[in-house]
Amino acid sequence: GAVVSQHPSWVICKSGTSVKIECRSLDFQATTMFWYRQFPKQSLMLMATSNEGSKATYEQGVEKDKFLINHASLTLSTLTVTSAHPEDSSFYICSATAMNTEAFFGQGTRLTVV
Amino acid sequence: AQSVAQPEDQVNVAEGNPLTVKCTYSVSGNPYLFWYVQYPNRGLQFLLKYITGDNLVKGSYGFEAEFNKSQTSFHLKKPSALVSDSALYFCAVRDTGGASKIIFGSGTRLSIRP
Repeated sequence: GAVVSQHPSWVICKSGTSVKIECRSLDFQATTMFWYRQFPKQSLMLMATSNEGSKATYEQGVEKDKFLINHASLTLSTLTVTSAHPEDSSFYICSATAMNTEAFFGQGTRLTVV
Repeated sequence: AQSVAQPEDQVNVAEGNPLTVKCTYSVSGNPYLFWYVQYPNRGLQFLLKYITGDNLVKGSYGFEAEFNKSQTSFHLKKPSALVSDSALYFCAVRDTGGASKIIFGSGTRLSIRP
């Protein structure tokens, strides 16, 4: 299947700093990328949907000023967690998809805010 | 609004026996349905999908799923379970009509005992 690369795979940051996570589709053009958050032993919670060249659509309850999403090209989307706090610690997963197909997932990023 | 339900938090099966992981969905249009598997601290791996055509779809690692429109179900099955099948399984649905979002079920932990 298609390859989606997510970087970094884990990051530790200090409270109050910002962290950027990258998601790249390596062998296909992703018209849409999704960002999910997963708490331990729970399902994936969709945070936002981003289409190349347009503003991301955030799910209810997700702070768009806290979680900045940029989808500047058909192969790259970034999620920036601004002014991170310990409660933002989680496993973040991106996925990329072309029109009306399955989504391919990155390996996830374990964020720990101390 | 689209939704997915996985009624079982955990399924326990003896190695060599058949397994079934249940999934039901709700969408306004025609569904695209997917199954993914997740191993600890990893991203999701795609198993199989139903877009259109034959209701019985075959996927990776010997898994298959049957789309049942009248029961709005897409149960995952395997004729003979392996210990290595033990993992977390997610059913997902995508509504038709452009770059619509993919929503996941709550997940089912499959445990195969030797």
